[in-house]
Amino acid sequence: GDSVTQMEGPVTLSEEAFLTINCTYTATGYPSLFWYVQYPGEGLQLLLKATKADDKGSNKGFEATYRKETTSFHLEKGSVQVSDSAVYFCALSDLWENNRLAFGKGNQVVVIP
Amino acid sequence: DVKVTQSSRYLVKRTGEKVFLECVQDMDHENMFWYRQDPGLGLRLIYFSYDVKMKEKGDIPEGYSVSREKKERFSLILESASTNQTSMYLCASGLASQGGYEQYFGPGTRLTVT
Repeated sequence: GDSVTQMEGPVTLSEEAFLTINCTYTATGYPSLFWYVQYPGEGLQLLLKATKADDKGSNKGFEATYRKETTSFHLEKGSVQVSDSAVYFCALSDLWENNRLAFGKGNQVVVIP
Repeated sequence: DVKVTQSSRYLVKRTGEKVFLECVQDMDHENMFWYRQDPGLGLRLIYFSYDVKMKEKGDIPEGYSVSREKKERFSLILESASTNQTSMYLCASGLASQGGYEQYFGPGTRLTVT
């Protein structure tokens, strides 16, 4: 079945640093790809999405490009703020899998002032 | 804005109790989902529903059941709560859009079974 793999471990970085969180996927069909964010004590919020190869999703300074050749959807932000501290989940949905969302395990991001 | 609400933010129950977790969405979405979230395991799908009175098992349905009598409401039932069901439970709703299949999440219910 479809699956999503995120890099292991939390990410700790200083304010204004560059953030990258890696995400790779395995899918049988033509998935749509998503990044969700979970702030402390809250549910998940959709951060950005891309629905076909070479699409770039962007929101709140975050970007991710759908790379079919490398089956990747890495999340990037050029200059993080303390308020970006959260857990970030990569996910995909695939029509061939009844549109279920498959999630990665998430990455805790801690931004230090 | 889509709104998904869950009946409780925090819940403490005893082993063996029957537990109901309620979820309501206000956007007329056909599809609703229940997940549990545990450290190191991410989100795991328990059950989902594509329509009223329809339900499908997810990846970890054992020990749970669901009910969807109305389109806007999706209930998760723990028939006999056990300590290994202590977790954060997240409800979501969504529909298949041309731009991909998005889900919208509620704030979660943190359930502790003692």
